[in-house]
Amino acid sequence: QKEVEQNSGPLSVPEGAIASLNCTYSDRGSQSFFWYRQYSGKSPELIMSIYSNGDKEDGRFTAQLNKASQYVSLLIRDSQPSDSATYLCAVSSSNYKLTFGKGTLLTVNP
Amino acid sequence: SAVISQKPSRDICQRGTSLTIQCQVDSQVTMMFWYRQQPGQSLTLIATANQGSEATYESGFVIDKFPISRPNLTFSTLTVSNMSPEDSSIYLCSVANEGYGYTFGSGTRLTVV
Repeated sequence: QKEVEQNSGPLSVPEGAIASLNCTYSDRGSQSFFWYRQYSGKSPELIMSIYSNGDKEDGRFTAQLNKASQYVSLLIRDSQPSDSATYLCAVSSSNYKLTFGKGTLLTVNP
Repeated sequence: SAVISQKPSRDICQRGTSLTIQCQVDSQVTMMFWYRQQPGQSLTLIATANQGSEATYESGFVIDKFPISRPNLTFSTLTVSNMSPEDSSIYLCSVANEGYGYTFGSGTRLTVV
C-alpha cells in the first residue's frame, strides 16, 4: 500500500513568516512529486513539481526533495494571507497514478 | 498545460438515481483519471480512464457503481450509479501533462438526499 504522510496541522504562521510543510512517502519507486494548493470549495491547483534530489525554487515557493530519506517539503517565504489554504503533497510512480497525502491546513494571520 | 471543463459543477440527487459527470479537455491527452474527495478528506483515485478500452479501477471501486467512458482522447464521463448518501462527495477528473504535472477539473459537488 503506497502511502503519503503529511502533518495534518493546522499550521498557523504570521504574515511575512516562512511556512514549512513536510511530507514523507513509502514507495521508493516514486519518481514525481507535487505540491498542490486547494482553497476551500475549489479544486487542487499545482504550485510546485520536483523530480530530482535537491531544491527547486519558484518565486516565494521552494520545494525540497530527498529520495534517500523519502521526504519532500515545501517552504513558503514571506507568507501572505492569500496563501491560507490546504496544501496537498502528491506522489506518482511509473504508472502515473497520483497518491495524495491528507493535506496540511495553513493559516496565515495578518 | 491542458484546460479541463467539467460539468455539472454541483447537483443534488435522490438516492437510487444515477448522475453522469463529464470532462472535456482542450487537447488530446493520454492519461485521464477520476478522483473522489469526501468531505474534509484528501483525494482518492477511483480509476484511470483508458481510451478505447475499459477503465482500470482502484481497490474498493467497481465498474457497476462507477462506470466510465472514454470515447476519445479529449473526453470522458464518470457515472455514479444507484446513489446513496455515502456517495456525497466532490468528484474530480484529472489529466497528466507531459513533464508538467497533473491538472484538475473544477470538480462536481454531489449531494445525495
